[in-house]
Amino acid sequence: DTEVTQTPKHLVMGMTNKKSLKCEQHMGHRAMYWYKQKAKKPPELMFVYSYEKLSINESVPSRFSPECPNSSLLNLHLHALQPEDSALYLCASSHPSGGSYEQYFGPGTRLTVT
Amino acid sequence: AQSVTQPDIHITVSEGASLELRCNYSYGATPYLFWYVQSPGQGLQLLLKYFSGDTLVQGIKGFEAEFKRSQSSFNLRKPSVHWSDAAEYFCAVGGLGKLVFGKGTKLTVNP
Repeated sequence: DTEVTQTPKHLVMGMTNKKSLKCEQHMGHRAMYWYKQKAKKPPELMFVYSYEKLSINESVPSRFSPECPNSSLLNLHLHALQPEDSALYLCASSHPSGGSYEQYFGPGTRLTVT
Repeated sequence: AQSVTQPDIHITVSEGASLELRCNYSYGATPYLFWYVQSPGQGLQLLLKYFSGDTLVQGIKGFEAEFKRSQSSFNLRKPSVHWSDAAEYFCAVGGLGKLVFGKGTKLTVNP
């Protein structure tokens, strides 16, 4: 099973709201990733968790707050977002982090900030 | 730092025709190379990967790619394209803890 699930599929939120994105995998992977993808662009890495610890933060604004409660779950907490944060948010997982391992992606959450 | 160039932003082929999507990479060590496909509004699906060994790698959906170190290339090929292959294709190089993606090539398939 190479499935990564993400909820919700779609999310509309106002600039003062607080919401969370959820990602889950049951492949025994120990690295999990958050990416942001704007239309007609490649995914941009935001965060990497390795063995439940944050290992890479690509200078992401603090209004995005990641959390890895256990090796199967990854959350992205959103607060006071801006309209330019509207994008497809993709979660991925792999065996231990590092570019030498293929990443498996979820279907994404389409986020619209109004 | 690693980088990936996909020279073709958009390619149009007829159904049944052959396909080659180009990818050039820059990386100081042995590259780990990947091709992903993305249908509109969907996540990325891994087509194939190259780590070492045989330079011609086979993937899913009838795709293959050839690693050429001398040309720093990892081109994706398919002998006969199906309408369902229409999508965005991303080449990526792995290293230093993360993947770096090219800008993507959009494939349109004409009936």
